[in-house]
Parts: sequence; structure tokens; C-alpha cells
Amino acid sequence: GAGVSQSPSNKVTEKGKDVELRCDPISGHTALYWYRQSLGQGLEFLIYFQGNSAPDKSGLPSDRFSAERTGGSVSTLTIQRTQQEDSAVYLCASSLATHNSPLHFGNGTRLTVT
Amino acid sequence: GESVGLHLPTLSVQEGDNSIINCAYSNSASDYFIWYKQESGKGPQFIIDIRSNMDKRQGQRVTVLLNKTVKHLSLQIAATQPGDSAVYFCAEMSNDMRFGAGTRLTVKP
Repeated sequence: GAGVSQSPSNKVTEKGKDVELRCDPISGHTALYWYRQSLGQGLEFLIYFQGNSAPDKSGLPSDRFSAERTGGSVSTLTIQRTQQEDSAVYLCASSLATHNSPLHFGNGTRLTVT
Repeated sequence: GESVGLHLPTLSVQEGDNSIINCAYSNSASDYFIWYKQESGKGPQFIIDIRSNMDKRQGQRVTVLLNKTVKHLSLQIAATQPGDSAVYFCAEMSNDMRFGAGTRLTVKP
């Protein structure tokens, strides 16, 4: 079946603009994660959705970042008033509801803020 | 090995040799661990996982070792091949999944 799909694959935006990044998880996966990866670095946790529970937003770096998950499926990560330091690859992953299930990643959205 | 820092640790091995990639995790409450492989331009791919009630698990050409006493995880790759060249991340799960900084493996032909 289809894996995790992210769009767009690349996004170039001007400083100060808002951007929306989309993630389509694997069908049936109730857990969804967003991570940020700067060039040559590890994965920085941003936010975690699990079913209908309140999301874990503890990793969001500022109030310019927000995420939604509609209908327990598609998720959108929004960055308002983008800054150059927001340039990174934004990765989405999904997993089954059970604890101790591996995450399945999309190929990410490469965001460049000019 | 793993460390929190700005630059990825690197490991360079000769094709056919065995590779060992190390990871120190941070949360003693973590009960599930995964190794991922990330190639350039792609998202991380699952390699192998292990639960905290085990100390060793083997897959095809890969073995994961878990030492909970010192909070250490390692990935062993047997007969390393050029296609194994990538960045390898360990991940730990407690309430959510957190990743180590990654190690870049380069395989010399």
C-alpha cells in the first residue's frame, strides 16, 4: 500500500510569509508525528497526534508553529511569518495506535526561506 | 557513537567489514528502541527494533544490542556493503519517539 505522503516536496518562500505543509499518513495509522531536520543534523521532535487525544505540542519551537489533524487522518503543519532559521526538511511519520510500533516516514518537505 | 552536537559523528569502513554504530539514549523510562537508516533526500527507513525486555535482536545482516544499565544501544551490520552508506539514527520511545543525533556511515569499496 501507499506510504506516508508529504507535499510539497520542496517549498521556497520569502521571509515573513506563511507556509502550509501537508502530510497524508498511512491508512489506519492513528499516530502522527512531525519532525524538523536541519542540514546535517538529527531529527527534532515538533508535535505528536494520537487518535482523538490532545496533541503533544511540547516540541514546537515558537507560537509561529501550529499543526492540525483533521478527521484523524491528514495533517497540516503551518509556519507563520517564516524566518530564515525555519529553513529545514520537515518530516512527517505515522504509526499504528499501539505503543511500541515503528514510525513510517515520508520523504519530507524541504523548506527554504529566503 | 552518538552525541548531541552540531556535526554528525562519522564511521568509515571497508566493504565486507563489520560495522558497529553506537547510541546513548537519555530516558531510563524508554521501553522501545528503533534503528533507522536515512539516505540522502529520503525520510528515515526502519531497520530493526527491540523492546526493553530484550538485550539482543537479530535481523538480516543486522543485530541490535541493548544495555539498559548504561542506557546504550548499538547496531551491528555484518559484511557492510556500499549500499549501507547512509546516516543511521537510533530512536527511543516512552511517551513519544525521540531521535539521537545520527551517525554517518561511509563504506569504502
